[in-house]
Amino acid sequence: KNEVEQSPQNLTAQEGEFITINCSYSVGISALHWLQQHPGGGIVSLFMLSSGKKKHGRLIATINIQEKHSSLHITASHPRDSAVYICAVPHYPGGGADGLTFGKGTHLIIQP
Amino acid sequence: NAGVTQTPKFRVLKTGQSMTLLCAQDMNHEYMYWYRQDPGMGLRLIHYSVGEGTTAKGEVPDGYNVSRLKKQNFLLGLESAAPSQTSVYFCASNTVSIYNQGGELFFGEGSRLTVL
Repeated sequence: KNEVEQSPQNLTAQEGEFITINCSYSVGISALHWLQQHPGGGIVSLFMLSSGKKKHGRLIATINIQEKHSSLHITASHPRDSAVYICAVPHYPGGGADGLTFGKGTHLIIQP
Repeated sequence: NAGVTQTPKFRVLKTGQSMTLLCAQDMNHEYMYWYRQDPGMGLRLIHYSVGEGTTAKGEVPDGYNVSRLKKQNFLLGLESAAPSQTSVYFCASNTVSIYNQGGELFFGEGSRLTVL
């Protein structure tokens, strides 16, 4: 069973700052998910990646399969980026329950 | 474009009562999941389904039952609610298994359940 650790748990930054959120997992995987949970509770998928880097707007996700580590970066952060960011990996990387193991999330606040 | 719809959004139950949460998706997704989210913990998988007529247990299945009689609907039932089942429940769906690359996870807006 995979285990996921995210850091930091809480992050407060000023508008415009470059943000980095880290995710480490215990067992090798085929793909990793980054999700965003809005203050109202809704969850949206940001990225699914299995290698290298993906970019969408001001969001960049990277993954190092050998080190079992992924990072989510936000460039030119804005107050609307304030949310909980969640990393998730397959529960049983070798097969089994078709579900994800989620990190506890990073609570990000961007102040104007 | 409804996506994934959960009903009800809020419910208060007394210990021992039963209820059913409905998850409906209009994207023709094969894979559907029920998760619960508790303070200080990550989302945890309750049950999942890889297609119409199939269901399987996840990480925390005790006290819950599910059914997938129609491809678009995934029902989560609590036969005898307990205070430990107070939580926010999320349904999710995908075109492919989470082990496969590609596809995208879609989540419902969540259902907040309180058991007194």
